[in-house]
Amino acid sequence: QKEVEQNSGPLSVPEGAIASLNCTYSDRVSQSFFWYRQYSGKSPELIMSIYSNGDKEDGRFTAQLNKASQYVSLLIRDSQPSDSATYLCAVEYSNTGNQFYFGTGTSLTVIP
Amino acid sequence: EAQVTQNPRYLITVTGKKLTVTCSQNMNHEYMSWYRQDPGLGLRQIYYSMNVEVTDKGDVPEGYKVSRKEKRNFPLILESPSPNQTSLYFCASSSWTGNGYTFGSGTRLTVV
Repeated sequence: QKEVEQNSGPLSVPEGAIASLNCTYSDRVSQSFFWYRQYSGKSPELIMSIYSNGDKEDGRFTAQLNKASQYVSLLIRDSQPSDSATYLCAVEYSNTGNQFYFGTGTSLTVIP
Repeated sequence: EAQVTQNPRYLITVTGKKLTVTCSQNMNHEYMSWYRQDPGLGLRQIYYSMNVEVTDKGDVPEGYKVSRKEKRNFPLILESPSPNQTSLYFCASSSWTGNGYTFGSGTRLTVV
């Protein structure tokens, strides 16, 4: 059974701070990694993808991947109240099809 | 506007009454997938399709059927719904492996 683990939170940070979200996965065959944001009552929205070890930056967001440790993280710099949402980590296994596994999500609240 | 459209948004039905949730995408995406989202369990993949007439099981396929007769459509069929299929369902599409999925707005299904 492939597993994707996230701290459920809630995580609270003050406005302007860095929010750090973490995710671990169980299967070393994992190939692609994604972070989604989901506002309450809405559908998940893709914010970052990462495939190789290291950091990937997109605006205020940085995704970090360490395949040896089976660990992927998301940093949100200069956090804004509009960043308050649940963040979902997802892992794709494409060698045997297109299986996707999601973590249960981390709830983030940015306090003005 | 590029989007994934699901219908209906809300559905209440009785145990054993066959139902279909429709899903259509206008982005010419190869991949399509169905997920269910339950509190504490997160998003779980039901079925996915990598092309017309190509479908495969995800993590929780029991009690569901799908078909992919056209590239744009991927309906989810519950032949004999049961109360444990009460959930929030999302359809999603993707252009290629590693590109992440674009989600529809969701269908909230209640089986009584």
